[in-house]
Amino acid sequence: QVQLVESGGGVVQPGRSLRLSCAASGFTFSNYGMNWVRQAPGKGLEWVAVIWSDGGNKYYADSVKGRFTVSRDNSKNTLYLQMDSLRAEDTAVYHCATRHSGGWFYFDYWGLGTLVTVSS
Amino acid sequence: QSALTQPPSASGSPGQSVTISCTGTSSDVGGYNYVSWYQQHPGKAPKLMIYDVTKRPSGVPDRFSGSKSGNTASLTVSGLQAEDEADYYCSSYAGGNTIIFGGGTKLSVL
Repeated sequence: QVQLVESGGGVVQPGRSLRLSCAASGFTFSNYGMNWVRQAPGKGLEWVAVIWSDGGNKYYADSVKGRFTVSRDNSKNTLYLQMDSLRAEDTAVYHCATRHSGGWFYFDYWGLGTLVTVSS
Repeated sequence: QSALTQPPSASGSPGQSVTISCTGTSSDVGGYNYVSWYQQHPGKAPKLMIYDVTKRPSGVPDRFSGSKSGNTASLTVSGLQAEDEADYYCSSYAGGNTIIFGGGTKLSVL
């Protein structure tokens, strides 16, 4: 069955960097566009970024554009999110999610997420 | 872009129907038929319940239905069951290769 397992979260100071990973299994990873979606503690969902199946296209939310970079390694079935210049408002659980067959803007399978806390 | 507007809470008794609204603008909900709804139980990952305004993914009960009028989308849950108690989020394509979510609605089954 489809499994998505995020890792790499933790406590980091404002202005520092962190790289998240999402290990995928149970499906042909290289065929699927992938998204990152975050959820601040007790708050709603916020889309962060998407990357096409071949890595050729990448799009970002305005709130992270220029600071976050999404990438993937299809040989390792792994999705990444490089987060630079972190701010307190980036504190959230970060989920990776596959695109749905209906469109890249729908999220089908999700991981449980990894918590990122930005605090001094 | 501001988040789509959802009521913070909704409730109904078992067997009843409840409708959750999701209000956006002509740049998102009103401009595209790319509205979706997600269900999230505490401590769990969200689950896609509705996409393309009205379509249900395989396995989602037909008690869940979606609609849209102008800049407002709606999710209706008919024949409420205890397991429907969860948070519900709407989402819409917002142009420029971006996606916007609503703030979420906590559905209680009384």
